Amino acid sequence: DTAVSQTPKYLVTQMGNDKSIKCEQNLGHDTMYWYKQDSKKFLKIMFSYNNKELIINETVPNRFSPKSPDKAHLNLHINSLELGDSAVYFCASSRKGGELFFGEGSRLTVL
Amino acid sequence: SQQGEEDPQALSIQEGENATMNCSYKTSINNLQWYRQNSGRGLVHLILIRSNEREKHSGRLRVTLDTSKKSSSLLITASRAADTASYFCATGSPSYDKVIFGPGTSLSVIP
Repeated sequence: DTAVSQTPKYLVTQMGNDKSIKCEQNLGHDTMYWYKQDSKKFLKIMFSYNNKELIINETVPNRFSPKSPDKAHLNLHINSLELGDSAVYFCASSRKGGELFFGEGSRLTVL
Repeated sequence: SQQGEEDPQALSIQEGENATMNCSYKTSINNLQWYRQNSGRGLVHLILIRSNEREKHSGRLRVTLDTSKKSSSLLITASRAADTASYFCATGSPSYDKVIFGPGTSLSVIP
């Protein structure tokens, strides 16, 4: 039973397109996150949600729009994709002040 | 924003040896966490140590935390080839709203 699942695992698309990544957690956690991992494995927090409310937006371009329909889901929509958006995007969830549980990542390649 | 630094960036050891990774951070924290990432996979939580704790053990893992020096170390004893992975430290903010990762240490354990 997967704790944090995200889909799709791979995305290959052209510059200028719009794409979405979905994330679901079945752990009953209140907090969910999106992280971006670049080619050097550097992990940068993008967004943090608590009980469907946006808590943190770490200077992410407006082209990135997270949406949390309920506290078990946090989706990421990206408009007008650019080459620099190519990365692995990780969804994670946690209890307040607890450790993070990560999904397996979604590898986005923008051509 | 990047919270911490890890050293070394890469570490190569023989099976059976101990591996020590260090992490430094800059601001106040609620806790410090260590994660492992195998190639192409999501991050897996190893240990969480709270700011009022100094040392924690889990199996072959030992974590120390020195809040006066804003540093932590992860010791893996009697390493195995299966320990080959990237290891990340991460700091939990006092406001519980975000977890910031360091750049990671790439560990290779040679059989």
